[in-house]
Amino acid sequence: NAGVTQTPKFQVLKTGQSMTLQCAQDMNHNSMYWYRQDPGMGLRLIYYSASEGTTDKGEVPNGYNVSRLNKREFSLRLESAAPSQTSVYFCASRKDGSNQPQHFGDGTRLSIL
Amino acid sequence: KNQVEQSPQSLIILEGKNCTLQCNYTVSPFSNLRWYKQDTGRGPVSLTIMTFSENTKSNGRYTATLDADTKQSSLHITASQLSDSASYICVVIATGWTGGSYIPTFGRGTSLIVHP
Repeated sequence: NAGVTQTPKFQVLKTGQSMTLQCAQDMNHNSMYWYRQDPGMGLRLIYYSASEGTTDKGEVPNGYNVSRLNKREFSLRLESAAPSQTSVYFCASRKDGSNQPQHFGDGTRLSIL
Repeated sequence: KNQVEQSPQSLIILEGKNCTLQCNYTVSPFSNLRWYKQDTGRGPVSLTIMTFSENTKSNGRYTATLDADTKQSSLHITASQLSDSASYICVVIATGWTGGSYIPTFGRGTSLIVHP
């Protein structure tokens, strides 16, 4: 059982390039999330999807777009990368229910030069 | 604004020693609090959950406490091991959410290093 799988694990981009980060979960969870984690800061929510076909903005959505392709997959797109988007990006999924935990992937480490 | 503050920011202890990590929150209304462990280069993994009615909960060598009146939680690690070296993140969930509005508030984490 793979859980939450993120690809790629590492990526270097030049300013202005575009890129899509992929996330897939095999736990049949309805909710999926994208976070960024920067040194000295807590995880910050970029976008989330409560179910297939729905997406909502989180705390820091500017510069990003998302697609909930189906129940398994939730992608994050950077249309024109900026150095401020250098970060570690985590995808998570969660089963419905207030006491259910989020299950995280191992992250994509993204550097923008 | 909902906030979660953790202390200390970092901690170094010797293998076999105990330690306690603190979490103070101002999230309201409170639903539950969860501690996650994040190993270097990995995603966070849930250790334990504390609901409003729970004061103490153990998971092996990890014991979490919750004081809902003072809005404080602690994570106590007993007989530390090298594998306990990680970041420990406190996350608080507010009530009033729907399936589409589950928005947890994350602390910045405590970085624990266990030396042999």
